[in-house]
Amino acid sequence: EPEVTQTPSHQVTQMGQEVILRCVPISNHLYFYWYRQILGQKVEFLVSFYNNEISEKSEIFDDQFSVERPDGSNFTLKIRSTKLEDSAMYFCASSGGTQETQYFGPGTRLLVL
Amino acid sequence: GEDVEQSLFLSVREGDSSVINCTYTDSSSTYLYWYKQEPGAGLQLLTYIFSNMDMKQDQRLTVLLNKKDKHLSLRIADTQTGDSAIYFCAASPNNAGNMLTFGGGTRLMVKP
Repeated sequence: EPEVTQTPSHQVTQMGQEVILRCVPISNHLYFYWYRQILGQKVEFLVSFYNNEISEKSEIFDDQFSVERPDGSNFTLKIRSTKLEDSAMYFCASSGGTQETQYFGPGTRLLVL
Repeated sequence: GEDVEQSLFLSVREGDSSVINCTYTDSSSTYLYWYKQEPGAGLQLLTYIFSNMDMKQDQRLTVLLNKKDKHLSLRIADTQTGDSAIYFCAASPNNAGNMLTFGGGTRLMVKP
């Protein structure tokens, strides 16, 4: 069964460093998403991406965040200058269309020291 | 915006039925989802219901939707120890594009 994959599974970084989280969505899906879950808190929407551009973003997704689909398979989330409060589990998801079911990857646990 | 709430914890005995409840605030939500998260794992889609339905059954899972009260429930029949996990309710508001709004999750503990 097709699934969303994410790498790395865990990442530790120093405050102020840049990190890139990688995702491979399900191959025939057209919509891609990033969510995050800070420990003990709700899963929060960050951004959705369609047709090579951001279709929606939350107020969390500020200028330190960017997304990219650098090739036909990968979807990346870049955090330019990490802060302690960026420590969270980051989930990638994909769907075949708008209002269609979103399938989630296993997540990347990011720890900023 | 949409707000989704769930109770934090549910404990049941193996073989009993579990009922996990969820409330949401935006009556325009078109799809409502249940995801399962096992320790250290991602969010596994269990089932979903479209807002024009009242009930959906899928093997041991039954979803009930009360649109008037904005209440969603997930019933797991014959609960097994392997069902122990965190269950998340999520809503997709019609006027918010593709974003999902999640509840805080209900931790289900199944005792043998």
